Amino acid sequence: QKEVEQNSGPLSVPEGAIASLNCTYSDRVSQSFFWYRQYSGKSPELIMSIYSNGDKEDGRFTAQLNKASQYVSLLIRDSQPSDSATYLCAVHYSGGYQKVTFGTGTKLQVIP
Amino acid sequence: DGGITQSPKYLFRKEGQNVTLSCEQNLNHDAMYWYRQDPGQGLRLIYYSQIVNDFQKGDIAEGYSVSREKKESFPLTVTSAQKNPTAFYLCASSMSNAQYFGPGTRLTVL
Repeated sequence: QKEVEQNSGPLSVPEGAIASLNCTYSDRVSQSFFWYRQYSGKSPELIMSIYSNGDKEDGRFTAQLNKASQYVSLLIRDSQPSDSATYLCAVHYSGGYQKVTFGTGTKLQVIP
Repeated sequence: DGGITQSPKYLFRKEGQNVTLSCEQNLNHDAMYWYRQDPGQGLRLIYYSQIVNDFQKGDIAEGYSVSREKKESFPLTVTSAQKNPTAFYLCASSMSNAQYFGPGTRLTVL
């Protein structure tokens, strides 16, 4: 069973701080990695994708991928109260079809 | 506007009834998916379809059925055989493995 693991949280950070969200996955043959943000009662929204080792930056968000250690992380700089949400990690496992496995998500609370 | 639409937003079902949830996309994506999300839990895959007239069972397909007669549409029927259907249902479509979600349908069994 391919798995994606996340700490459920809540992770509480003060406004303006860096929030660090982590995700580990079980299969070394993974190719694509995604971070989604889900506000309470709403559907997930894709915020970052990363495909190769290293860092990828988009505004206040940085995704980090380390395939050797099988983890992917999301950093949110200058955290704002509007960043308070559940963040889902998703991993696409190679297998000839477009199917991903989602983690259960980490709840982030940004304290004003 | 390109996107994924789901209807209705809220749906109430009596025990023993079948109900159908609509999902439409105009993103020209080949692959579409149905997930179920229960409070405090992750997404569980019900069915997925990579191409018109073809679909595959996901992890929790029992009590559900789908069709894919058009590229744009992937309706989900929740049958009376699904014993605990109260949940948030999410439809998604994908391009290059990234999935994009509709706004969801919240189903409640009365």
